[in-house]
Amino acid sequence: DAGITQSPRYKITETGRQVTLMCHQTWSHSYMFWYRQDLGHGLRLIYYSAAADITDKGEVPDGYVVSRSKTENFPLTLESATRSQTSVYFCASQRDSYNEQFFGPGTRLTVL
Amino acid sequence: QKEVEQDPGPLSVPEGAIVSLNCTYSNSAFQYFMWYRQYSRKGPELLMYTYSSGNKEDGRFTAQVDKSSKYISLFIRDSQPSDSATYLCAMLNQAGTALIFGKGTTLSVSS
Repeated sequence: DAGITQSPRYKITETGRQVTLMCHQTWSHSYMFWYRQDLGHGLRLIYYSAAADITDKGEVPDGYVVSRSKTENFPLTLESATRSQTSVYFCASQRDSYNEQFFGPGTRLTVL
Repeated sequence: QKEVEQDPGPLSVPEGAIVSLNCTYSNSAFQYFMWYRQYSRKGPELLMYTYSSGNKEDGRFTAQVDKSSKYISLFIRDSQPSDSATYLCAMLNQAGTALIFGKGTTLSVSS
């Protein structure tokens, strides 16, 4: 399907486990982003990438790891999940600077 | 002080009402302003995108930016139940690469 997709859509895991959230876009956009959305905090940027093999920290990067070996994929890994990482995670892509960001449908993650 | 402040509401209005949603920001360097709409359990989608001060109209929606007051608004005319959603204001950083979001205002339009 064209656009931006995320998988899984729902995930339940336990504290201490490693979890990887996937993001795929079909537009060949340069920029990709990961946000988390929590009640009372809104959308907060975790990491972003300007191109393949270029990543940078956002506002709340601790406990997360990203990679971008291909332009179309931008996985987010929680190396050792904690309950505070229970959230809804959104991936987004942007063609280049000063353009619209397009969001994926989100992944709802629960850490028990 | 957070860079972007937005009253979370909730805001409840009857169908046909005019709705005013607002955000304030602290960084005078912001030049690009956006409004996103987010339906329940969906990703945000862009509604309006404006540059610098002034008004922009798109159908029932008008976005207004007052850079002197660091204040942006979104007006919805003739509101419909389908407008019930969370509205997020956002500003692009100076590099044009990252969005700083307000917390969002939840709007409910009753028929």
